[in-house]
Amino acid sequence: GEDVEQSLFLSVREGDSSVINCTYTDSSSTYLYWYKQEPGAGLQLLTYIFSNMDMKQDQRLTVLLNKKDKHLSLRIADTQTGDSAIYFCAEKENTDKLIFGTGTRLQVFP
Amino acid sequence: EAGVVQSPRYKIIEKKQPVAFWCNPISGHNTLYWYLQNLGQGPELLIRYENEEAVDDSQLPKDRFSAERLKGVDSTLKIQPAELGDSAVYLCASSFRNNEQFFGPGTRLTVL
Repeated sequence: GEDVEQSLFLSVREGDSSVINCTYTDSSSTYLYWYKQEPGAGLQLLTYIFSNMDMKQDQRLTVLLNKKDKHLSLRIADTQTGDSAIYFCAEKENTDKLIFGTGTRLQVFP
Repeated sequence: EAGVVQSPRYKIIEKKQPVAFWCNPISGHNTLYWYLQNLGQGPELLIRYENEEAVDDSQLPKDRFSAERLKGVDSTLKIQPAELGDSAVYLCASSFRNNEQFFGPGTRLTVL
């Protein structure tokens, strides 16, 4: 079945850039998403990219999509302590179902 | 505008007891989702409603789980009887016509 994989943990210094990576298997995905989850909270949509795009920039966030390799990344510029959270990538199947990755825990230290 | 509301936020029960979770979606959102999130994992869809109709319940363990959305607004998810392995966070989300999904804070269930 469809599978979305992420590395489990990333630690960066405040002010540096963070890059969170994700690979997926479903080549028919229509949209790919990045969600943020803070402790005890639900998921917050950060950004998304349509499958026919290869890059999207939104303020400090840059999404890169390599459809050939089925690889998605999220770059956070000037990472702040408030960015510490778990980040999930998700692919949207043509049935509108979202398949989430296992999440990457981002820790930002001063 | 109020977000997705879920209650209770936390629930602790003994195994074999029943439990119910409630979700109030964002006003005007016709699509409602229930997700299960195990510790250290991403959410997994249990059931999706379009108005009152369950259009995808393939991942809902129907022997013990049930859900309803009688008037196409609020929804309840029930487990009867609960098992130890049901301990998880149950997330509700809503969207307008399958567009962006907005998530509630979840209900953390602990089964002892």
